[in-house]
Amino acid sequence: GAGVSQSPSNKVTEKGKDVELRCDPISGHTALYWYRQSLGQGLEFLIYFQGNSAPDKSGLPSDRFSAERTGGSVSTLTIQRTQQEDSAVYLCASSLAAYTDTQYFGPGTRLTVL
Amino acid sequence: EDQVTQSPEALRLQEGESSSLNCSYTVSGLRGLFWYRQDPGKGPEFLFTLYSAGEEKEKERLKATLTKKESFLHITAPKPEDSATYLCAAYSGNTGKLIFGQGTTLQVKP
Repeated sequence: GAGVSQSPSNKVTEKGKDVELRCDPISGHTALYWYRQSLGQGLEFLIYFQGNSAPDKSGLPSDRFSAERTGGSVSTLTIQRTQQEDSAVYLCASSLAAYTDTQYFGPGTRLTVL
Repeated sequence: EDQVTQSPEALRLQEGESSSLNCSYTVSGLRGLFWYRQDPGKGPEFLFTLYSAGEEKEKERLKATLTKKESFLHITAPKPEDSATYLCAAYSGNTGKLIFGQGTTLQVKP
């Protein structure tokens, strides 16, 4: 079946602009995660959605970052007033249900803030 | 503090030269140890999950093993197509998060 998809694959923006990144999880997966991968760094957890529960936002680095998940499926990560330090690859993953289930990753969105 | 450390950071092998990648972890309430492969410009691709010390899993030229403190990814007779970054991640029962290591970048030369 189809894997996790993300769009756009690349995004170049100017400092101060807002950006939206989209994630389509694997059909039937109730858990969805966002991570950030900076050059030379490990994957950094951002946010976790599980079904209809309140999301775990404990990894969001500032209040400029927000995410929503509509209808238990598609998710959008929004970064407001982008800064150069936001430049990174943003990865989305989904899993069947619980956090201990295997997470399957999308191809990522490479964000460059000029 | 939960931590996952991978070594070496980079590894260059000749085709056919077997070796091992190390993943050391200090994680409270380990609920699973995951290995992923990541090719440049792509997302991580799932390889293995290990749940308890002594467990081993194999896939083609790769074998993953787990002890109470570390995991190894053994690569037997590697081929150039095995070149990638290998990521290790441990699920922490304490924080409820998947903690990733920095990865080992493997290059296999023909």
